[in-house]
Amino acid sequence: RKEVEQDPGPFNVPEGATVAFNCTYSNSASQSFFWYRQDCRKEPKLLMSVYSSGNEDGRFTAQLNRASQYISLLIRDSKLSDSATYLCVVNIGGGADGLTFGKGTHLIIQP
Amino acid sequence: DVKVTQSSRYLVKRTGEKVFLECVQDMDHENMFWYRQDPGLGLRLIYFSYDVKMKEKGDIPEGYSVSREKKERFSLILESASTNQTSMYLCASLGRESYEQYFGPGTRLTVT
Repeated sequence: RKEVEQDPGPFNVPEGATVAFNCTYSNSASQSFFWYRQDCRKEPKLLMSVYSSGNEDGRFTAQLNRASQYISLLIRDSKLSDSATYLCVVNIGGGADGLTFGKGTHLIIQP
Repeated sequence: DVKVTQSSRYLVKRTGEKVFLECVQDMDHENMFWYRQDPGLGLRLIYFSYDVKMKEKGDIPEGYSVSREKKERFSLILESASTNQTSMYLCASLGRESYEQYFGPGTRLTVT
């Protein structure tokens, strides 16, 4: 079983719609969780951390479900500029070498 | 404000050549990483370093070595490049008390 799994997509979504995708992780001892965004031919950049209580940053909401071992990312009122690949990152070991990346979900916002 | 830089954006080398990829960060971070990213395979950790002169193998270290002589610089070395090492190489750094990895812009290496 892979440690961090994401649906690769692509998710084709009309502008203005709400889109959500999940990421599952296999290690129940995982301690920290993040969403990174990667634009085409660019490096990944941190979008937001995922806290146990959930967190919101503008149109983006991230949630953690420890019981079912997944994290989610919800994007409301999607913009063309939201088109990117969204990488789920889980720290399965606690140390710097425990950061494990999912393969990413490709999102395309269509006009 | 550039934080992590890599020596080349694009590189073309021949099979058997020795290849050096350089990464420099200006944030005084203890941890530095080398990943490769391939379509369908995502980011895979090659090596990481948690301090000067310290290194740890990642998930796919075969065919690679690294050097960390100074805190700000982390080098990836392909001793004898092979075509299956054609890839995008990404360097990243992470502070000891931080949780955000900063990535360099990547080096797209082609081995012919």
